[in-house]
Amino acid sequence: EVQLVQSGDEVKKPGESLKISCKVSGYDFSTQWVGWVRQMPGKGLEWMGIIYPDDSDTRYGPSFQGLVTITVDKSISTAHLQWSSLKASDSAVYFCARASQYYGVDVWGQGTTVTVSS
Amino acid sequence: QSALTQPASVSGSPGQTITISCSGTGSDIGLYNYVSWYQQHPGHAPKLIIFAVSNRPSGVSNRFSGSKSGNAASLTISGLQAEDEADYYCSSYISSGTRVILGGGTKLTVL
Repeated sequence: EVQLVQSGDEVKKPGESLKISCKVSGYDFSTQWVGWVRQMPGKGLEWMGIIYPDDSDTRYGPSFQGLVTITVDKSISTAHLQWSSLKASDSAVYFCARASQYYGVDVWGQGTTVTVSS
Repeated sequence: QSALTQPASVSGSPGQTITISCSGTGSDIGLYNYVSWYQQHPGHAPKLIIFAVSNRPSGVSNRFSGSKSGNAASLTISGLQAEDEADYYCSSYISSGTRVILGGGTKLTVL
């Protein structure tokens, strides 16, 4: 069974750094794109960026370029999303998901809620 | 790349048929037959319900169907049920950048 299991919810202060994870199982992690999606409270889904684990080719949406970093650790089939300095406006639910040309975004993680508050 | 355009909300009564539109351009929906649709209930992750314009993943009800014409795609839900009340999003493959472009989402209310 293909699964994407995300790390637990986080509560952080403005200015702190954070790295959340997405552990993949059930398929060859290296050969499928993994993306990250933001959902702010009461709002729609926003496609943040995508990474191809085999060569770490990473693309960011214009609204997220320079604000977050997407990485992978192939040795543990895990993708990461990180911030160097959080803002209150980063409070949201973040989903990781598998993406392909044919299926679109076919498997989703359960979501990680990030709360940034002083 | 701007998001695909969806109506903010649609509604229908149980048993009725509704359609949700998804408008793109000749660089996304118009260029590829790779439109997908997702259903998201409150507090849950999205779920893929249509891929490659009109294909249903295993386990998805045949009350859900998809189509495409030119630069626009549509999701049709027939025999509307209370459990269909959710947010629906479309997406398209794009060859450049982030590979995926999402719609803004449509809230379906079952009256």
